[in-house]
Amino acid sequence: KAGVTQTPRYLIKTRGQQVTLSCSPISGHRSVSWYQQTPGQGLQFLFEYFSETQRNKGNFPGRFSGRQFSNSRSEMNVSTLELGDSALYLCASTPRGGGGATDTQYFGPGTRLTVL
Amino acid sequence: AQSVAQPEDQVNVAEGNPLTVKCTYSVSGNPYLFWYVQYPNRGLQFLLKYITGDNLVKGSYGFEAEFNKSQTSFHLKKPSALVSDSALYFCVLRGAGSYQLTFGKGTKLSVIP
Repeated sequence: KAGVTQTPRYLIKTRGQQVTLSCSPISGHRSVSWYQQTPGQGLQFLFEYFSETQRNKGNFPGRFSGRQFSNSRSEMNVSTLELGDSALYLCASTPRGGGGATDTQYFGPGTRLTVL
Repeated sequence: AQSVAQPEDQVNVAEGNPLTVKCTYSVSGNPYLFWYVQYPNRGLQFLLKYITGDNLVKGSYGFEAEFNKSQTSFHLKKPSALVSDSALYFCVLRGAGSYQLTFGKGTKLSVIP
């Protein structure tokens, strides 16, 4: 089975712009979670989607949003970019979502976003 | 609230020696614990998890972890370290009924030839 894929792998934007990142989960997985990784804050949970519904959201401003499509692919959007948004954005997929707390999350390679 | 602590930012070990990466946790109810490894500019790779049952969990690449409920610990171990094990290791907690993962800060493991 193919793993989790994320596109693009690298992205450079300037402050004030917006960006959309894409994640394709492992085939058959219905849940996608997004994480932000920075040297200072480590790995922080952004949100989780299951069956096109946002199930849970981390403590991030409303500039961060996401959605999930019927084929389980997910996108996250960051509007009005700030320098502090520079990070590695990781998505992970699991088969069952919130009801499967024991499920392993499988991570993609990430999108490295640099905001200038 | 749930939390995970990795008390060592960096661990250095000689190739061929046993390695231990420490993790302690705090959660109400049953913990589900995971170890992931991250190589530079890569995503996280799953190593092993503890859900219930045997306190010694065996995982990928010869790694194992010991769950200790009384000490609320879940230390990662390997009998003989390889240079290729050098990476960033994350201990991860998911509380029963919780949607999200809580990550430790990570421990950088350096295996010295």
